[in-house]
Amino acid sequence: GPKVLQIPSHQIIDMGQMVTLNCDPVSNHLYFYWYKQILGQQMEFLVNFYNGKVMEKSKLFKDQFSVERPDGSYFTLKIQPTALEDSAVYFCASSLGGRENERLFFGHGTKLSVL
Amino acid sequence: GEQVEQRPPHLSVREGDSAVIICTYTDPNSYYFFWYKQEPGAGLQLLMKVFSSTEINEGQGFTVLLNKKDKQLSLNLTAAHPGDSAVYFCAVSTEGADRLTFGKGTQLIIQP
Repeated sequence: GPKVLQIPSHQIIDMGQMVTLNCDPVSNHLYFYWYKQILGQQMEFLVNFYNGKVMEKSKLFKDQFSVERPDGSYFTLKIQPTALEDSAVYFCASSLGGRENERLFFGHGTKLSVL
Repeated sequence: GEQVEQRPPHLSVREGDSAVIICTYTDPNSYYFFWYKQEPGAGLQLLMKVFSSTEINEGQGFTVLLNKKDKQLSLNLTAAHPGDSAVYFCAVSTEGADRLTFGKGTQLIIQP
């Protein structure tokens, strides 16, 4: 079936550095999402993105976070600078229609470890 | 905002037995409900999508029950087999909101 690919699967960086998480969404999907899961806690919504714009973001989406999908390539989440509390697994998802009942297709997640 | 409590966090059952996972939500405007399965090293796989108008939904080897009065959603696995071992997440969305609120997940282990 359709797949969302996330690269890399694990990233280790020093606090204060910049990191970019990459997501290759399902090819004909139009809506893109990032969710964050801290170890032992639930997955939480960060942001959704459509037509080159952030449509909605949660309070977890700090000023240090940014998303983009230049020219239909990877959908990226950039964190600059990183902080210790950014350590988590980040899940990318995409959907075709973006409606509340729409099925989301999730990637495997990128585990980010900030030292 | 919406809060979703999922229990139990860990569940171990014998092969052939049933397993029940329950989620309780708070927002009365919750309208769409999802169960996802995550196997080790894999992404979330949608098991079932449930609308608020349907109380009982049957899938392959499982049943999803929605009790709107008690704001409770359950996943009932019948005759569990080793392939059911995974982490299961419930998720809830409200009408007009393009975001999901997840439960914390249940680690299900099926013992031979």
